Amino acid sequence: EIVLTQSPDFQSVTPKEKVTITCRASQSIGSNLHWYQQKPGQSPKLLMKYTSQSTSGVPSRFSGSGFGTDFTLTIHSLEAEDVATYYCHQSSSFNTFGQGTKLEIK
Amino acid sequence: DVQLVESGGGLVQPGGSLRLSCAASGFDVTKRYINWVRQAPGKGLVWVGVIYSGGYTYYADSVKGRFTISRDNSKNTVYLQMNSLRREDTAKYYCAREAGGDFDFWGQGTLVSVSS
Repeated sequence: EIVLTQSPDFQSVTPKEKVTITCRASQSIGSNLHWYQQKPGQSPKLLMKYTSQSTSGVPSRFSGSGFGTDFTLTIHSLEAEDVATYYCHQSSSFNTFGQGTKLEIK
Repeated sequence: DVQLVESGGGLVQPGGSLRLSCAASGFDVTKRYINWVRQAPGKGLVWVGVIYSGGYTYYADSVKGRFTISRDNSKNTVYLQMNSLRREDTAKYYCAREAGGDFDFWGQGTLVSVSS
């Protein structure tokens, strides 16, 4: 099973801050890495697919990068509405998720 | 519009069974992969299993042999039959449509609680 490890687990953030979340895979997964945003009480929402392809309606302040085993989700200028838990997900070999990164307003 | 609606959750004793439903609208479940993902209270997302468009199914090791995914094409609905339930199966269960790797649509989830 491919293990995904996210860092940090938790981050206290301020509006307009640049936020970087990393996801490391236990073996190479190419670009088969996707990102989801989950707000409290809501279902996960697809944010970024195949490492860097943003989905419809996602603000341009979100970007993704990486290949192989190391991936990054960046929020270039955080807004209050971005406070949520973010999960990475690999689809290279069945499916696994990272443990999540929770963002809270400082 | 694409929509997924889960139902069937509830309280069940350890060792018991429950069947969850995932009713789809706006697309044909026989033409897409449908996954089940669960989330224990306050915890992260865990993949449970998938039914492919051709009907093949695959499961996480933690549920293999206990859970079964099936489909009723006439109702455009996917099911998750859960047997021999354990306390650690307590979670909200989501169904999610796979778009070729990523999960592009998710249901609202249904809560399963395993307790005596």
